[in-house]
This record gives sequence, structure tokens and C-alpha cells, in this order.
Amino acid sequence: DSGVTQTPKHLITATGQRVTLRCSPRSGDLSVYWYQQSLDQGLQFLIQYYNGEERAKGNILERFSAQQFPDLHSELNLSSLELGDSALYFCASSVGSGRTDTQYFGPGTRLTVL
Amino acid sequence: AQKVTQAQTEISVVEKEDVTLDCVYETRDTTYYLFWYKQPPSGELVFLIRRNSFDEQNEISGRYSWNFQKSTSSFNFTITASQVVDSAVYFCALSFSGNTGKLIFGQGTTLQVKP
Repeated sequence: DSGVTQTPKHLITATGQRVTLRCSPRSGDLSVYWYQQSLDQGLQFLIQYYNGEERAKGNILERFSAQQFPDLHSELNLSSLELGDSALYFCASSVGSGRTDTQYFGPGTRLTVL
Repeated sequence: AQKVTQAQTEISVVEKEDVTLDCVYETRDTTYYLFWYKQPPSGELVFLIRRNSFDEQNEISGRYSWNFQKSTSSFNFTITASQVVDSAVYFCALSFSGNTGKLIFGQGTTLQVKP
């Protein structure tokens, strides 16, 4: 158990809908990262927050947004869902914000868009 | 551009065999970090090791060992006397930017250890 929690574990929804994925980092970690794992794209970095502020953006679609709250938990919002958004979404956390920090991953949320 | 290549898509071995998973990376940065993660069938990503670009010493942890060679831009992972529980997808990853810890992952190598 990494100490990172993600809810829900599974999510099934329809095209065009909007969903919210939630992540709680390990105690003491200030950075939260979101990654998407799909069969065709592999593991892709989406976005990083550090202590409530956006630190880096990767290949995140405009339909997707995220935020980190004062209690450091984070939410990833996915809207106007398409079939291709079906994937495993991971949250990770680390103490600091840079390349030296080890990221610990949550169990993931499996999103299925029908 | 930064890139991580794991050329071996799938490897199948019989229990107790030794197996090496290859990882080749590309970066122009002189300071970077390399990682290995394990993804068992249950799906979570488990951290195995972190290595910085200035430390080329090989590392051993039980049956696991890592060989980092800057000259060939490789960070290979060897499992000695493999066990069925080692069956998983293994990912190599690169972190290069000072301001962010974002990871660039390889495509992963699926290791199947048969009894």
C-alpha cells in the first residue's frame, strides 16, 4: 500500500458525460500528479500540482481539468467523454516538486466510456 | 527530446531463470533521474528503484539488480532466480526537468514467469 488513495476504483459512463476522479496523496506529500494509461498511448503524464498550484502540464486534453485543494487532495475532471478516454487513470504523489522526488502511485481509477 | 525505450515487449521465462529487462533513454540534460516501477496483474504501480545520473554504481536488492551505464544510456534491470510472483509489467521511467517531477515512461515489458 503506497498510501495514495484514489476513488472510485471503477467508473462506467456514457459518451458525452462528465466525471470526477479523486485522489488523496500520502501524508506529508505536497505534489500530486495525474497519469493516463491506455493500450495505444501507454503511460502518459497529464498534469502536476504542487501545494495547490499547477506546476506542469503534459498531454492533457482541453476537456480535462484538475485542481488541488487546500487539504492537498486533488480532483481530475473529465468532460464531454469520448470512447477513446477509456483508460486507467493514476494519481501519484511526492514530497517535493522536482525530478529528485520519487512518486508513489495510487491504485488507479479504471474509466470505461460506453 | 526525452525518450525511454523498452524494446522487449514480452519476455517469458521458467521459474529460477535469470532475466534482464532492457531500458534505453534519451535526454540532453546532464542531471536526470531514472526509475523502475512494477505493475502486477492487480494493476497498481509499485516503485522499485531511483537512480541519479551522477551515480553509476550498480545496485543490488535481494534478487533484483540494476546496471546503469551512461556511456550507452542504459539502465537495465536483472531478476535473479525468477519466481512466479515476479510476473508483471515493468516500466522504466525518466525524470529530467528541475522544476517538475513529471515522468516519461517506456512502453513497458511484460514478464511472464512460468512454474
